[in-house]
Amino acid sequence: SQQGEEDPQALSIQEGENATMNCSYKTSINNLQWYRQNSGRGLVHLILIRSNEREKHSGRLRVTLDTSKKSSSLLITASRAADTASYFCATDVGSARQLTFGSGTQLTVLP
Amino acid sequence: EAQVTQNPRYLITVTGKKLTVTCSQNMNHEYMSWYRQDPGLGLRQIYYSMNVEVTDKGDVPEGYKVSRKEKRNFPLILESPSPNQTSLYFCASRKAGTDTQYFGPGTRLTVL
Repeated sequence: SQQGEEDPQALSIQEGENATMNCSYKTSINNLQWYRQNSGRGLVHLILIRSNEREKHSGRLRVTLDTSKKSSSLLITASRAADTASYFCATDVGSARQLTFGSGTQLTVLP
Repeated sequence: EAQVTQNPRYLITVTGKKLTVTCSQNMNHEYMSWYRQDPGLGLRQIYYSMNVEVTDKGDVPEGYKVSRKEKRNFPLILESPSPNQTSLYFCASRKAGTDTQYFGPGTRLTVL
């Protein structure tokens, strides 16, 4: 079963606006990761946040983690048309099974 | 260049005709995985391997086989493909003790 569930499933914004995507999960985790996928291509790792961290930044990306609510959010600031892609959260429960992915948020940034 | 490669990238086949999708990584990673991606379902893990000759089932292993005879290669075998295995397949690798997975470009499989 899927560990992570993203919300919304689809998001359409104008260039320059901020985009926020949310992820909820079910069990305790070691870390939570966000990946990006351009249409029909492989996933690319964006950012990782560990279970003992609450917020992390990387360039225009900001990730928060609330382990009490079992949720995370990804904020992309000052979005660009090139940010158009699907974004997936993935949870790592620390076993050799590796990552469990959610169903993704399709972000469209309109020029 | 550090990468995960998959072949073929596109494949159309018929029900019951055995096929193999190859996956190779040049990063000396211990962990390798296969995922399938279907609309609305995200990525689901088929099989994973922690090292040579060590493999285990993921969430959706039925109808698939894997082998890990060499560290760099992790082929996915469909002995008797069926239409419900039509999907986009990704191979990924990760170095033991690290968190980031590296994905291949994907293989789009259609089973008629």
